[in-house]
This record gives sequence, structure tokens and C-alpha cells, in this order.
Amino acid sequence: QKEVEQNSGPLSVPEGAIASLNCTYSDRGSQSFFWYRQYSGKSPELIMSIYSNGDKEDGRFTAQLNKASQYVSLLIRDSQPSDSATYLCAAKARGAQKLVFGQGTRLTINP
Amino acid sequence: SQTIHQWPATLVQPVGSPLSLECTVEGTSNPNLYWYRQAAGRGLQLLFYSVGIGQISSEVPQNLSASRPQDRQFILSSKKLLLSDSGFYLCAWSVDGYTEAFFGQGTRLTVV
Repeated sequence: QKEVEQNSGPLSVPEGAIASLNCTYSDRGSQSFFWYRQYSGKSPELIMSIYSNGDKEDGRFTAQLNKASQYVSLLIRDSQPSDSATYLCAAKARGAQKLVFGQGTRLTINP
Repeated sequence: SQTIHQWPATLVQPVGSPLSLECTVEGTSNPNLYWYRQAAGRGLQLLFYSVGIGQISSEVPQNLSASRPQDRQFILSSKKLLLSDSGFYLCAWSVDGYTEAFFGQGTRLTVV
């Protein structure tokens, strides 16, 4: 079982709609969770960090964490073509020091 | 502010040749440092991480090694490259084992 799992997609969403990206993790000791965006040929860039159960909003992005169900999600409101990228979910376990990534979900926003 | 430098951006090397990729971080002390590899169309595979000078943890047995000779310098090496070593190599840093990591620009390595 992979430590962090994502649906690889591709996920296609019309412009202006809400894109919903999901991620599950297997290590219950995971404390920190992150969403990164990666454009083709570029390095990942951090979008959101979330550490506590519930929702965290930053502009058009909302991260949701449910530790009991071991899932993390990212919502992108008012999706734009520039949001088309691969979105990577990552988790850090307590005391583990290392950051483990899922396989990424490729998102395409259709104008 | 903190910055991370990684070079070179692209590299084409013959099979059997050595490799040295360097990563340096500015603006912080005693960072956690990471080397990841990303094969085409795949996720990020953690290769090595380091929590301090001379401290290297290896995640995947392979043809590569890492060293941290200085606090903010992380080096990825190989004595003899294999075709399977081709990929996008990313260096990253974080303040500690709890918070987010930030990536360098990456090195695209093609072994021919």
C-alpha cells in the first residue's frame, strides 16, 4: 500500500467550475499535509499547507483535512485555464522528517 | 528570504559516466534537505534526506549516493550512471520535519 495515494486523472473541469482533488494517506501518524502544483517541465510549488482537521482557505483554494478518515482534499473555485497542471499531495509523519508524495493528479481546465 | 539553487538545469551524460549535482540553500541555517527523482509522467520518489551535516538517510537502494559537506550544501553523486538514472532531479529544503518543503528548479538528466 502506497503511503499517499491520489487518483492520477486526468481530471477535466470546465472553466469557472469547482475542481476537486482528493488524496488519502495510510500513516495515522501523519501530522502535516501539503498541496503542490507542478506545471509541465517545472518544479513543484507550494499551494497550501494544512495541519488541523477542517478547512483552510486561501483565495480560490480550500484545503480540507479529515484525520479520522485519513483524507485530504483541495478545492479550486472559479477554475481558470492557468490552473491546468499536476497537483501533488504530500504528507509528513510525526518525527519522520521526510516528505512523502502521492503520484499526482493531472488537472485540465477547459475554456 | 530563503532561496535554493540547483544546477545544472539540464545534463546529458553517457552511460557509465560519473554524476555530481549540487544544491545550496541561502537564508536559513540547519535546514532539512531532500533529493527527489521524478520519472517522466510519474510522482516524486524520495531518494535521500538529511537533517544535518554528514547525516544522510537513504530511501531507495540504487546507483546513487548523497553527501552534505556543509550545512546548506547537498550533493547527489553517482560513480557510473545507468540508463535508468534518467529523470528530473529535484532538491528541496524545509525548516524542520513538520513544515512545508520548497523546491529548487530541478535538473533534467538524460543518460544516453
